[in-house]
Amino acid sequence: DVKVTQSSRYLVKRTGEKVFLECVQDMDHENMFWYRQDPGLGLRLIYFSYDVKMKEKGDIPEGYSVSREKKERFSLILESASTNQTSMYLCASRRQGAGELFFGEGSRLTVL
Amino acid sequence: QQQVKQSPQSLIVQKGGISIINCAYENTAFDYFPWYQQFPGKGPALLIAIRPDVSEKKEGRFTISFNKSAKQFSLHIMDSQPGDSATYFCAASMAGAGTASKLTFGTGTRLQVTL
Repeated sequence: DVKVTQSSRYLVKRTGEKVFLECVQDMDHENMFWYRQDPGLGLRLIYFSYDVKMKEKGDIPEGYSVSREKKERFSLILESASTNQTSMYLCASRRQGAGELFFGEGSRLTVL
Repeated sequence: QQQVKQSPQSLIVQKGGISIINCAYENTAFDYFPWYQQFPGKGPALLIAIRPDVSEKKEGRFTISFNKSAKQFSLHIMDSQPGDSATYFCAASMAGAGTASKLTFGTGTRLQVTL
């Protein structure tokens, strides 16, 4: 069974802290994505990676960075968390050339 | 810039009724249109998808209707059941590698099916 695992389901951080969100997939997928989900705004793409060490900005990359050192792992980094980054973060993976995205269960981040 | 517009934002349907969710897109280069279903506390999961070479695709009680000239597509859930209560997202993308193949999602529809 395919699986995308997000290491933290719930996090509470303070403004200015550095935050790491980790995502691991066990399907040997080339493509990995980070989305942000907010009520009324749907899913918005933050960053994506087509292969190891490759990354591209999505629609809302400001305030975020990513790292993909290994094929199975894609990390989202908030260098200095702000309250407007309070949100649900969803990681997804996909086989290169395929249509279907496989999502993790999400990481709910609260920045105080 | 919202490239995929979804309506309604929420929908209440009685058990056995038909649920209809609509989406409209702007980019004529889009050629892959999936619908994702999300239950509370879970990530979205692919429900059904269509490519523009057909006008309709049916899988069980779920049907996508696609109107290329109007740049619209819709999800129909026949004989809606309480277990269908979830948030539904439409999406669109262009085939191929690189930046072009990222999915753009609609804003979501929260469906509640009542007894």
